[in-house]
Amino acid sequence: DAGVIQSPRHEVTEMGQEVTLRCKPISGHDYLFWYRQTMMRGLELLIYFNNNVPIDDSGMPEDRFSAKMPNASFSTLKIQPSEPRDSAVYFCASSLRGRLIGGTEAFFGQGTRLTVV
Amino acid sequence: QKEVEQNSGPLSVPEGAIASLNCTYSDRGSQSFFWYRQYSGKSPELIMFIYSNGDKEDGRFTAQLNKASQYVSLLIRDSQPSDSATYLCAVYRASSFGNEKLTFGTGTRLTIIP
Repeated sequence: DAGVIQSPRHEVTEMGQEVTLRCKPISGHDYLFWYRQTMMRGLELLIYFNNNVPIDDSGMPEDRFSAKMPNASFSTLKIQPSEPRDSAVYFCASSLRGRLIGGTEAFFGQGTRLTVV
Repeated sequence: QKEVEQNSGPLSVPEGAIASLNCTYSDRGSQSFFWYRQYSGKSPELIMFIYSNGDKEDGRFTAQLNKASQYVSLLIRDSQPSDSATYLCAVYRASSFGNEKLTFGTGTRLTIIP
């Protein structure tokens, strides 16, 4: 398997524009996580899905952020309108429930570095 | 209070010495604990995990867990320059509905000095 695939790797956009980040999880994994990483706040969980269903979106900073998972092999994170404070690295991760005794290992994509100017 | 807390560092350790990284968590229902390593500009990768009180060893790495104190640590023996990275502590919990959540700390930046 190629691992978790994210696109684009880098995105530079102007304030107010819509941004869509894409993720393809590892085939067969039933959990998908979206994280945002900044120097100040570290790695923050934004939302996660189980079997394509959003379970916990309490980490989504505000209504400008939305995420979807229309099928088991694809998810999007959308920011509309984007703001400079959204600049960060956005990671997608997937995992398989019950893969490890006592927990689950999350496999990360390479991330999307978003810069909003 | 943050769910998972780590000293951000930087932590500088001489090559060959033992590096000690610490993490505390707030949710007593947390079930297992993970240590990820992240090199600059790269994605996090799993080093090891632990779910029982006590020590767990894997090569040069030892994870220690004390659930009563809500404390987990990672020891790196014989530190190498290639160990220089940010180390992320992550806490796992499954809800009563069976859903699983992995929450990360902000990470500790470790530098091994040759």
